[in-house]
Amino acid sequence: TQLLEQSPQFLSIQEGENLTVYCNSSSVFSSLQWYRQEPGEGPVLLVTVVTGGEVKKLKRLTFQFGDARKDSSLHITAAQTGDTGLYLCAGRGSSNTGKLIFGQGTTLQVKP
Amino acid sequence: DADVTQTPRNRITKTGKRIMLECSQTKGHDRMYWYRQDPGLGLRLIYYSFDVKDINKGEISDGYSVSRQAQAKFSLSLESAIPNQTALYFCATSDTLGTGTYNEQFFGPGTRLTVL
Repeated sequence: TQLLEQSPQFLSIQEGENLTVYCNSSSVFSSLQWYRQEPGEGPVLLVTVVTGGEVKKLKRLTFQFGDARKDSSLHITAAQTGDTGLYLCAGRGSSNTGKLIFGQGTTLQVKP
Repeated sequence: DADVTQTPRNRITKTGKRIMLECSQTKGHDRMYWYRQDPGLGLRLIYYSFDVKDINKGEISDGYSVSRQAQAKFSLSLESAIPNQTALYFCATSDTLGTGTYNEQFFGPGTRLTVL
């Protein structure tokens, strides 16, 4: 069974601080996605990483896929209150089923 | 208008009652999914369907059943609800995987179900 472990599960920081969220597994994934979920809404895709070692940037968010495609990280620079939410990583296995395996999620609270 | 809609948005029911959660989509996607979300557990897959004639169990299908009435509609039923089925339920859709696509899933707004 493929599992994704996210850490930390909860993070509370002041506006302007930097943070990193980790997503780790012992399994290899063909691609990994990061979603963001706000209260009362469903998750929304932020990024997909596919190649080992790949780095993608989305404004102040930097996503990295591990060289072995078993782990990923999300780094936020100079966090803003609007970054508050639940961040979920999700991996797709090598089969063509399209199923995603989700991590437990990281709840981020950015205080003004 | 929302591409993926879920009804109801909130529901309180009693143990033993049958309940149906409905999902409709206007994205034209073939693939539809039902997840439940519990604090600290992320999203867990209940059932998924790749087309109207294809239904598959996910990792936590016990106590649930589904029906794919049309390409655009996928409903989840709890035949006899129990308190540990209290959770947030999400429907999602995705396009058929093809070259260059990586299965982005589009989620509905969720249904908060409480079983007393």
